[in-house]
Amino acid sequence: DQQVKQNSPSLSVQEGRISILNCDYTNSMFDYFLWYKKYPAEGPTFLISISSIKDKNEDGRFTVFLNKSAKHLSLHIVPSQPGDSAVYFCAALRNQGGKLIFGQGTELSVKP
Amino acid sequence: GAGVSQSPSNKVTEKGKDVELRCDPISGHTALYWYRQSLGQGLEFLIYFQGNSAPDKSGLPSDRFSAERTGGSVSTLTIQRTQQEDSAVYLCASSPLRLAGETQYFGPGTRLLVL
Repeated sequence: DQQVKQNSPSLSVQEGRISILNCDYTNSMFDYFLWYKKYPAEGPTFLISISSIKDKNEDGRFTVFLNKSAKHLSLHIVPSQPGDSAVYFCAALRNQGGKLIFGQGTELSVKP
Repeated sequence: GAGVSQSPSNKVTEKGKDVELRCDPISGHTALYWYRQSLGQGLEFLIYFQGNSAPDKSGLPSDRFSAERTGGSVSTLTIQRTQQEDSAVYLCASSPLRLAGETQYFGPGTRLLVL
């Protein structure tokens, strides 16, 4: 069963506008959530994370929002830049450590 | 400092052959993870090593898959009698400690193609 889901396989956004990537999860035991960014032929790189005790975490142009009651999180990128074009993976941790459970990824394309 | 390295970067093998994939984690990282990404799929957890504890093998898809971590550093993932469905990118990651949300640093992956 897919415990972490990214239902949009792709997203296209104009440069300078906001990109919103969504992620849903089913396991209420998850207590830490992370976003990774992946370029072709490279491994994923960590972007931003959020603990389940918070509902928002911000780092520069990137903000992650967590809605525990809806079991939903989102990544906002504003303003979007062409260099942000990549595949974004949402991931979850249980008991704050160990294996990451990943979503299927969303391919973001930021057009100049 | 150096990041996580993996070798080979690409591997083509024939169905039924055994393959070994190597991971060199970041020096000093006590936790090491293997994941794989099949075509069109997300990243799937395979196995996790943490210090001297018994590894978490819960993600290994069959008994043809095994992994070792020697001396708390380098790890080898072995796939015996490879099948075409084993074709995927195999990713290794390491992290310093098993703490809350500790960032996992990924290598570039090994692209395995089983013909």
